[in-house]
Amino acid sequence: EPEVTQTPSHQVTQMGQEVILRCVPISNHLYFYWYRQILGQKVEFLVSFYNNEISEKSEIFDDQFSVERPDGSNFTLKIRSTKLEDSAMYFCASSPRLGWAQYFGPGTRLLVL
Amino acid sequence: DAKTTQPTSMDCAEGRAANLPCNHSTISGNEYVYWYRQIHSQGPQYIIHGLKNNETNEMASLIITEDRKSSTLILPHATLRDTAVYYCIVRRDTGTASKLTFGTGTRLQVTL
Repeated sequence: EPEVTQTPSHQVTQMGQEVILRCVPISNHLYFYWYRQILGQKVEFLVSFYNNEISEKSEIFDDQFSVERPDGSNFTLKIRSTKLEDSAMYFCASSPRLGWAQYFGPGTRLLVL
Repeated sequence: DAKTTQPTSMDCAEGRAANLPCNHSTISGNEYVYWYRQIHSQGPQYIIHGLKNNETNEMASLIITEDRKSSTLILPHATLRDTAVYYCIVRRDTGTASKLTFGTGTRLQVTL
């Protein structure tokens, strides 16, 4: 069964450093998402991406964040200058069509020191 | 999107049916009810969704009341591996966006 994959599974970085989280959505899916979950808190929507552009973003997704689909298979989330409060699990999700279920990856645990 | 209300936690004996309720009294006619679950810190897992009619798949059944103000997710024969946090989400699709808004969910504990 096709799955969303994410790398790395864990990432430790120093405050102020740039990180890139990578995702390979399910093949033939057209809609892509990033969510995050701070330890012990709710899963929060960050951004949705369709047709090579952002279709919606939350207040969390400020200028420090960016997303890209550099080729036909990868979907990346970049945090330009990490802060302590960026420490969280980051989940990528994809969906074949608008209004269909979103399928989530296993997540990347980001720890900012 | 409509707000949902779920019990904080529930217990279920292994092999019995787990019935997880959700209230969504402000749901609009074009909003779907989705159920996801999250096992420990894994990525949320899609279970089932519906608009008006009851739905069933290999994982669960979804019963939506006629007025659509509440729904129940049924796991027919719960196992220990079904221990997870279950999220009821009401979602409306607009334009090219269809984000999921997660609440705190119901923590289901399946016991021997």
